[in-house]
Order: sequence, then structure tokens, then C-alpha cells
Amino acid sequence: DAGVTQSPTHLIKTRGQQVTLRCSPKSGHDTVSWYQQALGQGPQFIFQYYEEEERQRGNFPDRFSGHQFPNYSSELNVNALLLGDSALYLCASSLRGTSNEQFFGPGTRLTVL
Amino acid sequence: AQSVTQLGSHVSVSEGALVLLRCNYSSSVPPYLFWYVQYPNQGLQLLLKYTTGATLVKGINGFEAEFKKSETSFHLTKPSAHMSDAAEYFCAVSGTGGFKTIFGAGTRLFVKA
Repeated sequence: DAGVTQSPTHLIKTRGQQVTLRCSPKSGHDTVSWYQQALGQGPQFIFQYYEEEERQRGNFPDRFSGHQFPNYSSELNVNALLLGDSALYLCASSLRGTSNEQFFGPGTRLTVL
Repeated sequence: AQSVTQLGSHVSVSEGALVLLRCNYSSSVPPYLFWYVQYPNQGLQLLLKYTTGATLVKGINGFEAEFKKSETSFHLTKPSAHMSDAAEYFCAVSGTGGFKTIFGAGTRLFVKA
């Protein structure tokens, strides 16, 4: 049973560029949440997708957008990258639009130069 | 609104000693509470959770936590530390059936031989 997978593992971009991160949920899960974890901090909630819709959003600008596909996988897009966007981006999957038991992927380490 | 405060960014214990990691939360609705562990360069792994029912919750690797509503606390304990317990620990809260999970800043646990 595959757990949550994320790609790529690492990514280096320059300021102003755009990036797309990908996540496949754990088998049987239908909900995907995205978190940003800056160095030395706890994860910060970006948004959650359920039934291909954004259900709730944290305090992140519109530069952060996402999508969920019919197979429940998800993408996180960040436009106009800033140095402060450098972080570990974590994807978590769960069931039926809740966060009551989330399984996390290994994350994508984004470095913005 | 919800928030989590983890007391102590770093905790150091000797191998075999009691582990106590402190967490206080604030929630305007009945909370769901979680402890996660994160090893270097990895995602988060759920240690235990409180949703409803018994206030003493047992998790993996010998950890347990007690939900104390009157103290708004959810401290994590383990009777005897092992070297493999050295990691970053995060306390988190979400609303009952809610989408958004709020994480604390984390406590790094060091275990001395």
C-alpha cells in the first residue's frame, strides 16, 4: 500500500519564476492538504482540496494556487517566487474532507535563489 | 480561532529518563489534538491523536498524552527515553471535523547516552 508521494524531492528556482509541486495521496484517501514548513518552524496550512475544490485556505497570497484531479492527486503552484518561499512543502492526505488523521508525504524542498 | 503553544524549543533528556513535552492549545470549538514526530529530512508521522472519549491517549513507540480540558493542555510523555526518540515533535489542533490543522513551532528532543 503506497503512502503519500511527492515530486520532485528537491527544486531550485530563481526569484520571479513559477513552480509546480505534485502529490499523490495514500491509497483510499480523497482529501489533500498542503503545508509550508520554513526552516526551524512548524508546518503552516496553505489550503485543502476535497472533491476537486479548495475547501479552506490559510493566510497565503493568491500567488499560491492548487488543483485536485479526479484521481485525487493534487498540484501546488506558486507564481512570482520570492526568497521567502524557500521551504519544505508538505502534502498530507486524509478522508472525506477532514484533517482528523492525516498522512504526510516526505515533502519537496524548494530553494529560491 | 485556534492556536498551539509548545513550551520549550529544545528538551534534553538522558537515555532511560522520562520524556515530557508540553503543549497548550486554544480553540473556540471542541478540539481534535495531535502529536506528530519528524525525523531529519522527512515528513511528519502521527504519534497519537485525541478526538473524543478517553482523555489518556496511547500512541506508537510507547508515547502517550493526556487531554486536560481545564488546563487546555495535551502534554506528551514517555516513561523511558531511547536514543531513537531524538527528533522534532509537533503538537497540532484542529476543530471537530474541521479542515485546517494548526501546528505548534515544535520541540526538538535530544537524548543523551
